[in-house]
Amino acid sequence: GQQLNQSPQSMFIQEGEDVSMNCTSSSIFNTWLWYKQDPGEGPVLLIALYKAGELTSNGRLTAQFGITRKDSFLNISASIPSDVGIYFCAGQGAQKLVFGQGTRLTINP
Amino acid sequence: EAGVAQSPRYKIIEKRQSVAFWCNPISGHATLYWYQQILGQGPKLLIQFQNNGVVDDSQLPKDRFSAERLKGVDSTLKIQPAKLEDSAVYLCASSLGGARGTFGSGTRLTVV
Repeated sequence: GQQLNQSPQSMFIQEGEDVSMNCTSSSIFNTWLWYKQDPGEGPVLLIALYKAGELTSNGRLTAQFGITRKDSFLNISASIPSDVGIYFCAGQGAQKLVFGQGTRLTINP
Repeated sequence: EAGVAQSPRYKIIEKRQSVAFWCNPISGHATLYWYQQILGQGPKLLIQFQNNGVVDDSQLPKDRFSAERLKGVDSTLKIQPAKLEDSAVYLCASSLGGARGTFGSGTRLTVV
């Protein structure tokens, strides 16, 4: 089946630093999505990307849909304590979402 | 608008017992999904409903898992009999039609 490789698996950073994570796939996707999951909650959509090469921002978050349609990255600028959580990429094909394994972000104040 | 409601929040059962989870989607959302999220992994789709019909259940272990969505609104997911490897968070999501659903908070199942 389709698999997404998300890296890094975990990150430990200082407050105020920038963060970068990415997701790669062996399959082409029509849409890339980035979610954040807090403990005890379901994933919440952060950014959706619909076209190859698209670069989209949401506040301090910026994500790009790779030209090959097989990868995407998410950047967080000037991290703050509430950015702590697990970030998931998801690729959409044929009305179904395939999720990556997640990147756990920990921030030292 | 009210979000996706799931119950119970937590459930602990012994292996070989049965368990059921309930989901109430956002009002008007025709599409409903059940996902399984094992600790340390991303959610994996189990079953997708469009109104009260099944669109995709290719990853549902049908020998022990079943799901229904009567009247195209609420849905229940059942496991019978449960195995240790079924320990996970079961997430329900709903959408107007696309795959970008809104997730509920999930039910954490522990099988001992």
